[in-house]
Amino acid sequence: DAKTTQPPSMDCAEGRAANLPCNHSTISGNEYVYWYRQIHSQGPQYIIHGLKNNETNEMASLIITEDRKSSTLILPHATLRDTAVYYCIVRATGANSKLTFGKGITLSVRP
Amino acid sequence: EAGVTQFPSHSVIEKGQTVTLRCDPISGHDNLYWYRRVMGKEIKFLLHFVKESKQDESGMPNNRFLAERTGGTYSTLKVQPAELEDSGVYFCASSLLQWGSRNEQFFGPGTRLTVL
Repeated sequence: DAKTTQPPSMDCAEGRAANLPCNHSTISGNEYVYWYRQIHSQGPQYIIHGLKNNETNEMASLIITEDRKSSTLILPHATLRDTAVYYCIVRATGANSKLTFGKGITLSVRP
Repeated sequence: EAGVTQFPSHSVIEKGQTVTLRCDPISGHDNLYWYRRVMGKEIKFLLHFVKESKQDESGMPNNRFLAERTGGTYSTLKVQPAELEDSGVYFCASSLLQWGSRNEQFFGPGTRLTVL
């Protein structure tokens, strides 16, 4: 079973920041937080991951609370192409392990 | 660089028939994973190969499913005989075999299987 909870959906205006929350209150010390997304009719796509420090890459930023029980994925300037289902996944340090997907959050970016 | 490819993209078969799905991972990726999403459900892990060996097959639903990865390159997933509940989208993913925090899995576009 997934170890994360996410709201089922949210929307934001194009060009604005999208802040996607995730709760992972049972996360263990050796587990990372990963974010993937699935755009309609495509396979899931890796976005970003982190352990305890905030992370940023060309796609997004990941903010993890100090107690690591929750995190927020930030898309700084959402575009229509960012409309997708976003999955927050907790994964053990053994980086070759499987991914356990939950229901994800459906982000709708409106014009 | 070619991504993960899957064949066929769609398959429609009748209950009781056999179907074989194929996945070609990214060249050099020793890890290969199969996942599936059945209608209205979450994406579920099926199994994991490291090269030609099955590392974890805990997600395989029953013995009607047979996965192989001969030679550690492409993989096939055979369903025999297919049942109605096998309908869904089957995803394949691959990644480098390495130890470290980032080990991004690259997913293929999926095979949509419909069992009538």
